[in-house]
Amino acid sequence: NAGVTQTPKFRILKIGQSMTLQCAQDMNHNYMYWYRQDPGMGLKLIYYSVGAGITDKGEVPNGYNVSRSTTEDFPLRLELAAPSQTSVYFCASNQGLEPQHFGDGTRLSIL
Amino acid sequence: QKEVEQNSGPLSVPEGAIASLNCTYSDRGSQSFFWYRQYSGKSPELIMSIYSNGDKEDGRFTAQLNKASQYVSLLIRDSQPSDSATYLCAVNGGSSNTGKLIFGQGTTLQVKP
Repeated sequence: NAGVTQTPKFRILKIGQSMTLQCAQDMNHNYMYWYRQDPGMGLKLIYYSVGAGITDKGEVPNGYNVSRSTTEDFPLRLELAAPSQTSVYFCASNQGLEPQHFGDGTRLSIL
Repeated sequence: QKEVEQNSGPLSVPEGAIASLNCTYSDRGSQSFFWYRQYSGKSPELIMSIYSNGDKEDGRFTAQLNKASQYVSLLIRDSQPSDSATYLCAVNGGSSNTGKLIFGQGTTLQVKP
């Protein structure tokens, strides 16, 4: 009963490097989301997807890209890492009016 | 712009007391309402869902919804130090129909032994 699985749990990047944060869910949810949460702050929506092949921008999409080739997976790509992207990243999924289920998060530091 | 407002706190209550957390929302079309608990360094954890006006009880937790006043609250009875966390109110994005939630900034609860 895995739910939403995020990898890696921790990562340190150098400025300008790129990486992909992985997110997978096994609940057959159509809707998936990426959030970032800075220390002491609320959740900010980066991108979301309502189904395979469909993605849309959230509140803070600049510097990120996503794709959704399957129902299960929703990777988040950072192309040119910047210090402002140091944050904790959460992936979530749900269906319709149901609550969102969250992964354990990826803690990312960019130095 | 659709908003969800919470008092950031901290809200401090003694152990055994009732903690009352409040949330207001702006979109009258919202249909589902959630309370999440987030411990420091952890992911949000769902503790209550409510979809219709009135009260919903689950153990020590009671969620209250008043759609006319656009107000949702969470009561925690017999508060324990382990309840110390940030509580996030989340509201379904009304007519958007995407499952998106609008989150409040969260209220920090401190339960003192």
